[in-house]
Amino acid sequence: DIQMTQSPSSLSASVGDRVTITCRASQSISDFLNWFQQKPGKAPKLLIYAASSLQSGVPSRFSGSGSGTDFTLTISSLQPEDFATYYCQQSYSAPYTFGQGTKLEIK
Amino acid sequence: QVQLVESGGGVVQPGRSLRLSCAVSGFTFSSYGIHWVRQAPGKGLEWVAVISYDGSNKYYADSVKGRFTISRDNSKNTLYLQMNSLRAEDTAVYYCAKDQGYCSSTTCYALGYKGMDVWGQGTTVTVSS
Repeated sequence: DIQMTQSPSSLSASVGDRVTITCRASQSISDFLNWFQQKPGKAPKLLIYAASSLQSGVPSRFSGSGSGTDFTLTISSLQPEDFATYYCQQSYSAPYTFGQGTKLEIK
Repeated sequence: QVQLVESGGGVVQPGRSLRLSCAVSGFTFSSYGIHWVRQAPGKGLEWVAVISYDGSNKYYADSVKGRFTISRDNSKNTLYLQMNSLRAEDTAVYYCAKDQGYCSSTTCYALGYKGMDVWGQGTTVTVSS
């Protein structure tokens, strides 16, 4: 199985900050990488698919990059509604594993 | 609008069975793969299973393989998850989620490649004696 490792596990930042979350796969997954945002008590929301494609309706301050084993999610200017937990997920081969999550908190 | 509604959760004793359902509306169910994803209390997301648009391909997490079965009835626009031999560690909120990649006569996206774009609200399964 492919293991997904996110870093950091938690992050404190301020409104307006630029934030980067990293996800590393245990083997090459090409661009089969998705990013989700989850707020407490809510279902996850798709932000980025295929490593760098912005999901419809998602603000352009979110961007994704990477291929192979190393990927990043960047939020260019944090907004109050962005404080949440973020997960990467590989869809290269089943089981389609998630990273452990990165909790983004207000500084 | 596109909607997925899970049902069938509840409290069940270890070793017993439960069947979850996911009723969908607002899109052509028979053209899309559907996933189950779960989240244990206070924990992260765990992908559970996926079924292709026509039911011909099914994949499972190692933690549920041999105990859980995913299936679909395209005539009823409904997805199922049969869960047998339940364990305490299966306690979680279970979500069904639509795969954004579709299959048509001319195009068929790989399962998962375009992500899971619509999710249900989740149904809670508690395994406890």
